[in-house]
Amino acid sequence: GQQLNQSPQSMFIQEGEDVSMNCTSSSIFNTWLWYKQDPGEGPVLLIALYKAGELTSNGRLTAQFGITRKDSFLNISASIPSDVGIYFCAGNNNNDMRFGAGTRLTVKP
Amino acid sequence: GAGVSQSPSNKVTEKGKDVELRCDPISGHTALYWYRQRLGQGLEFLIYFQGNSAPDKSGLPSDRFSAERTGESVSTLTIQRTQQEDSAVYLCASTLRIGETQYFGPGTRLLVL
Repeated sequence: GQQLNQSPQSMFIQEGEDVSMNCTSSSIFNTWLWYKQDPGEGPVLLIALYKAGELTSNGRLTAQFGITRKDSFLNISASIPSDVGIYFCAGNNNNDMRFGAGTRLTVKP
Repeated sequence: GAGVSQSPSNKVTEKGKDVELRCDPISGHTALYWYRQRLGQGLEFLIYFQGNSAPDKSGLPSDRFSAERTGESVSTLTIQRTQQEDSAVYLCASTLRIGETQYFGPGTRLLVL
């Protein structure tokens, strides 16, 4: 199925640095979500965004629902080693949920 | 239960054999989804169940794939005559209601030799 365009594909950063990743789509979505997947686990929801323009924070995470409803970004501030994993964006229209290919984050201590 | 559970957690099978994967959604969740995740890839939608409505099978890659769900409980995903290309993690997710946030199980890692 159609995937969202997520970038970057991977990031290698030093502990303490900030991280930014984004997702774009040619289609409008009613909801944008960001998930994190640890090795051997299923994705875990980090942040859900329900309104265009919405900016939501969850601890060191901040995500925004683009005003055009076709994009979203996720920022992680002051990264720590346990932030390592794969981050997926997802756009949702009722029962139609599409995922990005993921951003693989490596944090060097 | 507290979360979505899936079994088995790992399955190794020989090419040509049938496999059955199980998903137990969160109690009370009316919608259930199956996804496939190939190594290093994002999630690929397979099939969706909502209550007693006919399932949305639009993501099933071939007629070797089928899924069933009994009411609003357990679902099984069956892959017949498995091929090496079927090797992937199969993830199940459930939601309380249509359009709401999906919660994922840990996945079943399938390896077809």
